[in-house]
Amino acid sequence: EDQVTQSPEALRLQEGESSSLNCSYTVSGLRGLFWYRQDPGKGPEFLFTLYSAGEEKEKERLKATLTKKESFLHITAPKPEDSATYLCLLEGGTSYGKLTFGQGTILTVHP
Amino acid sequence: EPEVTQTPSHQVTQMGQEVILRCVPISNHLYFYWYRQILGQKVEFLVSFYNNEISEKSEIFDDQFSVERPDGSNFTLKIRSTKLEDSAMYFCASSSDRTQYFGPGTRLTVL
Repeated sequence: EDQVTQSPEALRLQEGESSSLNCSYTVSGLRGLFWYRQDPGKGPEFLFTLYSAGEEKEKERLKATLTKKESFLHITAPKPEDSATYLCLLEGGTSYGKLTFGQGTILTVHP
Repeated sequence: EPEVTQTPSHQVTQMGQEVILRCVPISNHLYFYWYRQILGQKVEFLVSFYNNEISEKSEIFDDQFSVERPDGSNFTLKIRSTKLEDSAMYFCASSSDRTQYFGPGTRLTVL
């Protein structure tokens, strides 16, 4: 069974204090790993797609990386508006559409 | 920018009643999904749908649930006889490749 574990569960940062969120996974054949941001009461908002180990994607203050066992979401010089829950979604298996979310990391950035 | 829409935003129903949650995916997308998120818990995959049939479904998606694409634009989730534990946010998503775009969700409250 595919498994996704995100850590830490919650992270408090000062504005400008860089850090990383982790998504560890076990899967029978990785088809894709996705990062989303979710604000309270809203649907997940797409950030990045990673398909293979060694791949990196970057957007503004965020950078996502992927190895064979985990993915990191690096946040450089965060701002209060980066506060949200960050979700990792794993697509595995041999048929399209077998999907598992991690439980998320709640990020709070204080001014 | 195209987006996934969902109606209603909030549905209140009595236990044992049938509900239909509606989604309009992004127009050129071919893959459709339903997820649910019980308050305070992680987002859980329910079902994926492609080419007018279910691709994958989770253990949650039992005989009480069904999905349908009744026309060229709508994608629906039906719960035949709601239970108290069906109370949750239900998210629809669509994709043209592997990257899914989520709707804002329908909050279902079962009394």
